[in-house]
Amino acid sequence: NAGVTQTPKFQVLKTGQSMTLQCAQDMNHNSMYWYRQDPGMGLRLIYYSASEGTTDKGEVPNGYNVSRLNKREFSLRLESAAPSQTSVYFCASSGDPTTGELFFGEGSRLTVL
Amino acid sequence: EDKVVQSPLSLVVHEGDTVTLNCSYEVTNFRSLLWYKQEKKAPTFLFMLTSSGIEKKSGRLSSILDKKELSSILNITATQTGDSAIYLCAVINFGNEKLTFGTGTRLTIIP
Repeated sequence: NAGVTQTPKFQVLKTGQSMTLQCAQDMNHNSMYWYRQDPGMGLRLIYYSASEGTTDKGEVPNGYNVSRLNKREFSLRLESAAPSQTSVYFCASSGDPTTGELFFGEGSRLTVL
Repeated sequence: EDKVVQSPLSLVVHEGDTVTLNCSYEVTNFRSLLWYKQEKKAPTFLFMLTSSGIEKKSGRLSSILDKKELSSILNITATQTGDSAIYLCAVINFGNEKLTFGTGTRLTIIP
C-alpha cells in the first residue's frame, strides 16, 4: 500500500535555485494539500487542491507554485529558493475533507543555503 | 484567521503515568476538531470530534471536546514508550473546509 508518495526525501539548494517537489497518491482522493512544518510553527498550509484542475492558496503561499497535473499528482515548485523556505514539506490527500482525515506522505526535508 | 493553541509545548513523563494534553481554538465557523499523532515522519489521524460527537476513546487514548470553552483535551493513560510523539490538534472551518493546525505537544515517555 503506497498511499501518498513524495519525492525527493532530502534536497539541498542554493539561494535562487529552483526545484519541484513531487507528490502522488493512489487512493483516488479528490483533495490534495501541501504543508510545511517548522519548529514551533506546527503545520502550515501552503496550497491545496479540492479536485483535479483547481488549486487555492493556503496560509503561506508566497514563493511557491503548484500544479494539479491529474487526480493522482500534485506538485509544489519553488521558483527561486530562499533560506526562509528551509523546512520539512508534507503532501497530504483526503477522500472527504469534512472528515478531517488526511493521509500524509513521509515528508521532504529541504535546506536552502 | 483561525487559530489553534496547544499546551504544554513539551512534556516528559515516566512510563505508566497518565498525561493530559490541551488544545484551545478560535475558528469563525467550527466544523470539527482533530487529533493527530506524529512519530518520526508523517502525522497519523487519531480522532475527530464534532458537536454531535464530543467524546472519543480508543484503547488508552481518549479525547473530549468542550464547545463552550472552545477547547479539547487528549488523555493518555498508562503511557508506554511507544506513545512518545508530537501530538497535533487541528480544527476544520465549515466555510472553507481548511484544516488549521496547532504547534503540537512533544510528549516523551521515559522507561
